Amino acid sequence: GAVVSQHPSWVICKSGTSVKIECRSLDFQATTMFWYRQFPKQSLMLMATSNEGSKATYEQGVEKDKFLINHASLTLSTLTVTSAHPEDSSFYICSASDKVYEQYFGPGTRLTVT
Amino acid sequence: DQQVKQNSPSLSVQEGRISILNCDYTNSMFDYFLWYKKYPAEGPTFLISISSIKDKNEDGRFTVFLNKSAKHLSLHIVPSQPGDSAVYFCAAMSTNAGKSTFGDGTTLTVKP
Repeated sequence: GAVVSQHPSWVICKSGTSVKIECRSLDFQATTMFWYRQFPKQSLMLMATSNEGSKATYEQGVEKDKFLINHASLTLSTLTVTSAHPEDSSFYICSASDKVYEQYFGPGTRLTVT
Repeated sequence: DQQVKQNSPSLSVQEGRISILNCDYTNSMFDYFLWYKKYPAEGPTFLISISSIKDKNEDGRFTVFLNKSAKHLSLHIVPSQPGDSAVYFCAAMSTNAGKSTFGDGTTLTVKP
């Protein structure tokens, strides 16, 4: 149980375009979903926390107009990177939670902006 | 200010020996601590956790120790196996905040 999927696993896009990444909890209802970004050889940086049906809470320094997060249902959250630039290239990981202390991570999405 | 620190970027041990991964934190509001294992290009997977009301939690080959006064926790893996080779992240959370803060990770290599 507790499986979280992400789609796509790898995406290449041109600078200036937008990319949408999906995060799904497959066998449980996630009241909270988290989006992280990981740079090479660095830690997971929390970008935002989203609760179903409400606006996401962004961490300090994360541009909410650039990284649009939608948590439309208890099993789906999406992250849209708008007007992507090469510096947005990174590994994006989502996690889903239905209990405070439990968090299940997706496999991640590698974004490359050319 | 980094609230969760893993000061050793890498650790190499021989198969069968003990691996000890360390983690320090600064925020006294943290009341729950977790260890995750991560392979390249994959999401982290949960290993073991400990509440601040305990000082030890054991699960098979994995034991986590918490020293609240020193704001330090450690993960012991014994015996270490080559399949344990991965990046290990320490995470801390405060129940009220409901979100985890991660350390930078320690790359463990277990040599056969």
